[in-house]
Formats: sequence, structure tokens, C-alpha cells
Amino acid sequence: DSGVTQTPKHLITATGQRVTLRCSPRSGDLSVYWYQQSLDQGLQFLIQYYNGEERAKGNILERFSAQQFPDLHSELNLSSLELGDSALYFCASSVGHRNYGYTFGSGTRLTVV
Amino acid sequence: AQKVTQAQTEISVVEKEDVTLDCVYETRDTTYYLFWYKQPPSGELVFLIRRNSFDEQNEISGRYSWNFQKSTSSFNFTITASQVVDSAVYFCALSETGNQFYFGTGTSLTVIP
Repeated sequence: DSGVTQTPKHLITATGQRVTLRCSPRSGDLSVYWYQQSLDQGLQFLIQYYNGEERAKGNILERFSAQQFPDLHSELNLSSLELGDSALYFCASSVGHRNYGYTFGSGTRLTVV
Repeated sequence: AQKVTQAQTEISVVEKEDVTLDCVYETRDTTYYLFWYKQPPSGELVFLIRRNSFDEQNEISGRYSWNFQKSTSSFNFTITASQVVDSAVYFCALSETGNQFYFGTGTSLTVIP
């Protein structure tokens, strides 16, 4: 158990819908990172939050948004879902705003049908 | 351009054989970190090793060893006496800023009993 908790583990939804993925970081970690792993794009960095503030942004679509709450858990919101959004979404956490070896959660597998 | 290249898409070896997974990276930064992660069939990402750019010492951990060569921008991973449990996808990753990782496309290793 990495200490990073992601829910749900699996999600199946229809095109056009909106879903929310949740991540609870390890105790004491202030940063949360989101990654998408898809068959065609591989593992790609989406966004990082540190202590409630957006810290770094990667290849995140405008249809996607994230936030980090005062209790440090984070949510990734995916809207107007397309078939191509089907992927494994990982969350990771670290203590500081820069970290060189963060711990990943077990992922949420999203299937858009 | 890819920052991390794993040219070997799939490798199959017979149990007890040694196998080397190649990783070539590209960066202009003098300070950076390299990683290897394992993704077993269950899907989670398991941290294996971190190496910073100032430490070219090779590392051995049990059956695993890593060869970091800045001159060739490579960070190769060798599994000695492979076992069936080593079957997984292995990812090499680069971090320059500490905010995001650039992952290679992964090498799928199958160890045949």
C-alpha cells in the first residue's frame, strides 16, 4: 500500500458525461500530481497542486479540471467525455512542491463507452 | 521530441536469463533525476530507483542493477536471473524541475518459465 488512495478503482460512463476522480495523498504530503496513461499517449503529466494551489500544468485538456481541497485531497473532473478519454488515471503525492520520486496511487481505470 | 526513449517495446526471456532494458534520455539541464518504475499486470506503478545527474555510480539491489552513463545519456536496467514475477512493463522516467516526470513508452518484459 503506497499510502496514496484513489477512488473509484473502475469507472464506466457514456460519452458526453462528466466524472470526478478522487485522490487522497499520503499523510503529510502537500503536493498532488495527476497523470493519464492511455494506449496512444502513454503516461502523461496532467497537473500538480501544492497546498491548494496549482503549481504546474502539463498536457491537460480544457475539458479537464482539478482542484485540491483544504484537507489536501484532490479531485480531477473530466467533462464532455470522449471515447479517447478512456485511460488509467494516476494520482501521486509528495511532501514538497518539488519531489524527485513520488509515490503513485493504484489508479482509476476510466472506460468511456 | 521524446525526452525519454525506450526503444525496446517488448522483450521475452526464459527464466533465469539476464535481461537489460535500455533507456536513453534527452535534457539540457545539468541537474535532473532519472527513475525506473515497474507496472505489473495489476496496473499500479511501483518505484524501483532514483538516480540524480551528479551520481554516476552504478547501483545494485539484489537481482536488479542500473548503469547510468551521462556520456551516452543512458540509464539502463539489468535484471539478473530473471523470474516469472519480473514480468511487467518497465518505465524509465526523467524529471528536470521536480514537478513532472517525462516517461518513456515502456518496455514489456515477459519471463517464460
